[in-house]
Amino acid sequence: EAEVAQSPRYKITEKSQAVAFWCDPISGHATLYWYRQILGQGPELLVQFQDESVVDDSQLPKDRFSAERLKGVDSTLKIQPAELGDSAMYLCASSLRATGGKGYTFGSGTRLTVV
Amino acid sequence: GQQLNQSPQSMFIQEGEDVSMNCTSSSIFNTWLWYKQDPGEGPVLLIALYKAGELTSNGRLTAQFGITRKDSFLNISASIPSDVGIYFCAGQDPGNQFYFGTGTSLTVIP
Repeated sequence: EAEVAQSPRYKITEKSQAVAFWCDPISGHATLYWYRQILGQGPELLVQFQDESVVDDSQLPKDRFSAERLKGVDSTLKIQPAELGDSAMYLCASSLRATGGKGYTFGSGTRLTVV
Repeated sequence: GQQLNQSPQSMFIQEGEDVSMNCTSSSIFNTWLWYKQDPGEGPVLLIALYKAGELTSNGRLTAQFGITRKDSFLNISASIPSDVGIYFCAGQDPGNQFYFGTGTSLTVIP
């Protein structure tokens, strides 16, 4: 079964350092999402891509977070500098198109701990 | 961002019992999704609902899209230990934006 690949699975970093996460969506999925999930809460959307273009980054803290999907396939989410409050699970999801639904698949996530 | 109201927040049940949880929103949605998340993993889609009033089953799971388009519920019949996890609802609004519920933590006691 096709999967959304994410790496690393776990990341520990010191505050003020830079950190990056990588996501490879299911082949052919045009829409890619980055979510942040704080322990005990549901996922919250950070950024949505349609192919290589950002279609929604209204919840992305742009002073420290950036995301790119240069060739419209895999994507990188970066935090610089990391803060203690950034500790969370970062989830990537993809779907065939923006309407999502059945094709909306999550990766296993990257668990970030900022110390 | 917006989060849906999901209840109950947690449930402790005996193996074999039925489970019911629901999700409500102040705005209408075009799609309702139900996910299960195991510790340290990403959410896995259980059921997707696309029309008001739709009732869909997936094995022992049944979910319904509320008539008002502002709510949905998930039932699990004859619970088993592997049903343990956190269940999230998600709704997609007319602008194709997804919002997630706050989660229901399910514990099944053998």
